Amino acid sequence: AQRVTQPEKLLSVFKGAPVELKCNYSYSGSPELFWYVQYSRQRLQLLLRHISRESIKGFTADLNKGETSFHLKKPFAQEEDSAMYYCALNRGGGADGLTFGKGTHLIIQP
Amino acid sequence: DGGITQSPKYLFRKEGQNVTLSCEQNLNHDAMYWYRQDPGQGLRLIYYSQIVNDFQKGDIAEGYSVSREKKESFPLTVTSAQKNPTAFYLCASTGPQSSYNEQFFGPGTRLTVL
Repeated sequence: AQRVTQPEKLLSVFKGAPVELKCNYSYSGSPELFWYVQYSRQRLQLLLRHISRESIKGFTADLNKGETSFHLKKPFAQEEDSAMYYCALNRGGGADGLTFGKGTHLIIQP
Repeated sequence: DGGITQSPKYLFRKEGQNVTLSCEQNLNHDAMYWYRQDPGQGLRLIYYSQIVNDFQKGDIAEGYSVSREKKESFPLTVTSAQKNPTAFYLCASTGPQSSYNEQFFGPGTRLTVL
C-alpha cells in the first residue's frame, strides 16, 4: 500500500534560518510527488512538483528514490513561509487522486 | 470569479440526517475529487470522478455517496451511515490543461454533526 509520512507535526525556525520539511513515501511504481501549501485563511494550493524540478518561492525538493524521500528545503526562511505544508503522492498516475501526508505546520519566528 | 466553489461554507446536521455538499467548477476540468480533512490526519480521499457519469471509491468511501451528472458538478452526500462525519471537506479538480499534475482546491465546507 502506498503511504506518505511527514514525521514532524510542527516545525519552528527563526527568520533567516534554513528550513527542511521531511517527507518519505512508500510506493511500488514510479512515484509522482508534490508539495501543497495552505496559508492561513487561504485554499490549499500546489507549491511544487518533482517532475518540474523548479524552485518556487525559494523552495526546492529533490526526489531521492534510494531513500524514498522528497524533502522540502529553503535556505533562508521568511515570515511569510509560515503555513501548513503537505507532501502528496499521485495514487496511480493520471487522475486517480492524491495520497497526502498528515502535514507539517511551519512557524517562522521573527 | 472563476475556479472551484463549494457551498455551504458551514453546515450543521442532526444525527440520522443525510446532507449534501455542493462542488462546482468552471475550469473545464474532467476530474473531480472529494477529500476529508481532520486535524492531525491530513487529507484522505473519499471519492473521485475522472469523467461524467463515472466515479470511483477512494480510501474512506463508506457512509458517503456521489454523483457526476454534469462535468461542472460533483456533489457529495454524507449519509447517516457515516459514523463520524464532523470534519472539513475539500473538493478539488484537475484536467489535461495541467497534465493532471495540479489539483485545484475549493475553499471547503465544515460539517458539524449536532
